[in-house]
Amino acid sequence: EAQVTQNPRYLITVTGKKLTVTCSQNMNHEYMSWYRQDPGLGLRQIYYSMNVEVTDKGDVPEGYKVSRKEKRNFPLILESPSPNQTSLYFCASLSRDRGSGYTFGSGTRLTVV
Amino acid sequence: AQSVTQLGSHVSVSEGALVLLRCNYSSSVPPYLFWYVQYPNQGLQLLLKYTSAATLVKGINGFEAEFKKSETSFHLTKPSAHMSDAAEYFCAVGTTGNQFYFGTGTSLTVIP
Repeated sequence: EAQVTQNPRYLITVTGKKLTVTCSQNMNHEYMSWYRQDPGLGLRQIYYSMNVEVTDKGDVPEGYKVSRKEKRNFPLILESPSPNQTSLYFCASLSRDRGSGYTFGSGTRLTVV
Repeated sequence: AQSVTQLGSHVSVSEGALVLLRCNYSSSVPPYLFWYVQYPNQGLQLLLKYTSAATLVKGINGFEAEFKKSETSFHLTKPSAHMSDAAEYFCAVGTTGNQFYFGTGTSLTVIP
């Protein structure tokens, strides 16, 4: 089954403790993206990657890092999480046929206390 | 840059009534328009898409949307609401590059 897999689904952590949210897709998509979803703000893009070793900032990149060492994986790294990063995070991938739209993961609900 | 506006962050309809969720995009005609649905505790699922083939687009679960260039709109409709339609709905615009722009979402409540 074609899918984007994120882990973990839920995560509670403390301020300053580094964490990584993993994302993997099995569709051989070149383009991948991370979004955060907050009430009243919709989805905001954090980072995206157009291919292996090619990443760029989205609209809200502060406090986040990403890497793209392999085509299928696109982890999101929070080096020093803060409470304002409490949010619902989605990884998504996009095929060359942009008209197909994004395929989204199931989301990671992060709480930073 | 594109912008996407969804009018009404919350919409309530009675079961069996017409569902109308509004979406307007900025003036330049985008190549792709989408509606996504998000059920509680789930990711976003593609509901339907417009890719310039036909202005009236049919999607899953009885939903459809009409692209109206003159009104810069892509409203989502369903003739008869079902309890299972209760969810968050997002309109999105895709460009020929890699940029996607999402609306802020509309939460649909279906009243029995």
